[in-house]
Amino acid sequence: SAVISQKPSRDICQRGTSLTIQCQVDSQVTMMFWYRQQPGQSLTLIATANQGSEATYESGFVIDKFPISRPNLTFSTLTVSNMSPEDSSIYLCSVRTGAHYEQYFGPGTRLTVT
Amino acid sequence: DAKTTQPPSMDCAEGRAANLPCNHSTISGNEYVYWYRQIHSQGPQYIIHGLKNNETNEMASLIITEDRKSSTLILPHATLRDTAVYYCIVREDQSLGGKLIFGQGTELSVKP
Repeated sequence: SAVISQKPSRDICQRGTSLTIQCQVDSQVTMMFWYRQQPGQSLTLIATANQGSEATYESGFVIDKFPISRPNLTFSTLTVSNMSPEDSSIYLCSVRTGAHYEQYFGPGTRLTVT
Repeated sequence: DAKTTQPPSMDCAEGRAANLPCNHSTISGNEYVYWYRQIHSQGPQYIIHGLKNNETNEMASLIITEDRKSSTLILPHATLRDTAVYYCIVREDQSLGGKLIFGQGTELSVKP
């Protein structure tokens, strides 16, 4: 398994500002993912972030709005840029590891945009 | 798009077995069935996965039909702490870069 921590755990931000969310893993992993969970909804995949390459974004998500960094095998950041109230969500970091490529999730960052 | 269909909610009595169904009638030969759960205000937790054989671990059992078009997750002795949203997901083999795409899941309520 993998132990994943995220910072901050929650934040309240004003519209038009940006927030960078950090994800730290206790072991080296190749594949990391960022998900969004809007209130009362299921998880939506934002992007896949592999070390040493550009992040791959899912339909409906763009790099200008959600830039991602992946400087090494244990760390990644997701920035939510020029925020609006519609960006209020829980943002979750996830990694794929293990003998059967199980995927593990961090505790999430609860973002409220006012 | 999610490739699975699950009932939106289920109840189960504490101590009884919880049987959560999932329909994945369009599953292809290289896709695995994964189950995750999300307890309120936490990140999803991996439970179990399988390709075509039944699987069991310390958390649950996974029963996959012979035609692989449906499966059932079994929690043998449900406790109040098993109250969560359970997600059934089909995913391509890792070597094909399969992504974990979540549907709406089943909200399981375990009642005393």
